[in-house]
Amino acid sequence: SQQGEEDPQALSIQEGENATMNCSYKTSINNLQWYRQNSGRGLVHLILIRSNEREKHSGRLRVTLDTSKKSSSLLITASRAADTASYFCATFPRSSASKIIFGSGTRLSIRP
Amino acid sequence: NAGVTQTPKFQVLKTGQSMTLQCAQDMNHNSMYWYRQDPGMGLRLIYYSASEGTTDKGEVPNGYNVSRLNKREFSLRLESAAPSQTSVYFCASKDPPGEGEQYFGPGTRLTVT
Repeated sequence: SQQGEEDPQALSIQEGENATMNCSYKTSINNLQWYRQNSGRGLVHLILIRSNEREKHSGRLRVTLDTSKKSSSLLITASRAADTASYFCATFPRSSASKIIFGSGTRLSIRP
Repeated sequence: NAGVTQTPKFQVLKTGQSMTLQCAQDMNHNSMYWYRQDPGMGLRLIYYSASEGTTDKGEVPNGYNVSRLNKREFSLRLESAAPSQTSVYFCASKDPPGEGEQYFGPGTRLTVT
């Protein structure tokens, strides 16, 4: 099974609303990253949060990390049509400095 | 600066045929990765190479082999393609170890009939 599991699997919201996606993982990690994938394209890095950080902001993105619950959330505020994409969390297990495991993703649709 | 490039972009194989997917990066990264993504699914790690001269298995290595030809290039070979290997294949690279964002190629869409 995958290290990271996102929920919900799919999310549809109105433009301007906030979108929240969650990620759970199983093993101890060095850091956790979130990526975006537009349909038919490769993944693009959004934000990295280290294991000793609890919250991080980048523009309209806010990421939280709770290592005791092995979970992270990604909040996108004031959503736009261009935010329509799939969002994946990726974890860096402590057991391997180079191995990266992706979750199954959340498909976000923004309705105009 | 092209980033990560992959060839070919599309490929159709018959069951039992072999092929090699090529990947190259020009960012001087040590680590390179091969993933597969099935429709509506996340990425699954096939193989990775932490540095030139080393390769390691990921989650789904069966049916694949890899070669880290030099620091720039990391190829993925299917020796005897099966319909279950129909997927989109992504190559990625990154530095430094333990963190750093991954840079992805545009993907290769492979169909095995």
